[in-house]
Amino acid sequence: GAGVSQSPSNKVTEKGKDVELRCDPISGHTALYWYRQSLGQGLEFLIYFQGNSAPDKSGLPSDRFSAERTGGSVSTLTIQRTQQEDSAVYLCASSFLRSNEQFFGPGTRLTVL
Amino acid sequence: AQSVTQPDIHITVSEGASLELRCNYSYGATPYLFWYVQSPGQGLQLLLKYFSGDTLVQGIKGFEAEFKRSQSSFNLRKPSVHWSDAAEYFCAVALWDAGNMLTFGGGTRLMVKP
Repeated sequence: GAGVSQSPSNKVTEKGKDVELRCDPISGHTALYWYRQSLGQGLEFLIYFQGNSAPDKSGLPSDRFSAERTGGSVSTLTIQRTQQEDSAVYLCASSFLRSNEQFFGPGTRLTVL
Repeated sequence: AQSVTQPDIHITVSEGASLELRCNYSYGATPYLFWYVQSPGQGLQLLLKYFSGDTLVQGIKGFEAEFKRSQSSFNLRKPSVHWSDAAEYFCAVALWDAGNMLTFGGGTRLMVKP
């Protein structure tokens, strides 16, 4: 079956623009996670969705970051008014309910000029 | 707050030599423990995981890891390294009652000499 997919694979944007990053989890996975991988901060958790519960947004670095998950499947991470420090690889992962194994997508590399 | 430390940023080993990558965690309880590998330009692939039971766990690609509660460590080992093992390795922890989001170590980049 298909794994976690993310689009676009690369995104170059100008400072101040908004960007949307998409994640398609593995079919049937109820949990979805966003992480960020950057040179300065390493791999860090951003946000977590589990079924219909309210998302855990505790890892979002600022209010410019938001995410939604429609129909319990596809998720979009939105970064408003991008800054250069937002440049990173954004990784999405999904897992079955009450499973500890997360499956990662290939990531979206975001470059803010 | 929980934390994960990988003391070695870079390690170089010769092909065929044994390998040990260190991982220490700091948390009041025993979390779930993972090792992931990331090849250049690729996503993260799970090598192995520890939840409970036997403290020596076997993973894919010939890797194993040993959980030592007294040392708060979960070191990754391989008896004979192959050139294709060159990659970055991440140790991670998760808490079952906290959503299972992963906290990662800083990573260890492995280089393999021919």
